[in-house]
Amino acid sequence: GEDVEQSLFLSVREGDSSVINCTYTDSSSTYLYWYKQEPGAGLQLLTYIFSNMDMKQDQRLTVLLNKKDKHLSLRIADTQTGDSAIYFCAESNTGFQKLVFGTGTRLLVSP
Amino acid sequence: NAGVTQTPKFQVLKTGQSMTLQCAQDMNHEYMSWYRQDPGMGLRLIHYSVGAGITDQGEVPNGYNVSRSTTEDFPLRLLSAAPSQTSVYFCASGDQPQHFGDGTRLSIL
Repeated sequence: GEDVEQSLFLSVREGDSSVINCTYTDSSSTYLYWYKQEPGAGLQLLTYIFSNMDMKQDQRLTVLLNKKDKHLSLRIADTQTGDSAIYFCAESNTGFQKLVFGTGTRLLVSP
Repeated sequence: NAGVTQTPKFQVLKTGQSMTLQCAQDMNHEYMSWYRQDPGMGLRLIHYSVGAGITDQGEVPNGYNVSRSTTEDFPLRLLSAAPSQTSVYFCASGDQPQHFGDGTRLSIL
């Protein structure tokens, strides 16, 4: 079945850039998502990218997709303490909204 | 949270009890789903529905029932609660992308 993998933990200093990586196995993945979860809260959609795109930028967020290697990354520029959260990568196929999630990467931003 | 409302927010049950987790959305979405979140395992799909009257199983459906009598509501029923069902449950609705509720934190003693 489909599998999505992420590293479990990332620590950065405030003001630095953060890069969170994700790999997936389903070659028919059409939509790839990044969600943010703050402590005790639900999932907030940050951004998503279609599989026919290589890059998407949205303010401080840059998503890079390497479809050949099935690798997705989320770069957060000028990381702030408020960015501390768990970040989930997820994928789905065309016509099916079922999401397959990674285990999440806990981002810790220190002052 | 994007029009998806889950109740209750917290619940403690004894083993063997039954209960229903409620999920309602006001965005007229056809697609709704339930996930559970466990430490170190991300979110896993329990059941989903592509419209009123239509439901199907996800990755981890055992011990759970769902029904979809209206577009707005998609309740999740625990038939006989077990400690392994202690988890955080999320309801989601919508097409690409999905929108999530704030979750129900459920403990089974």
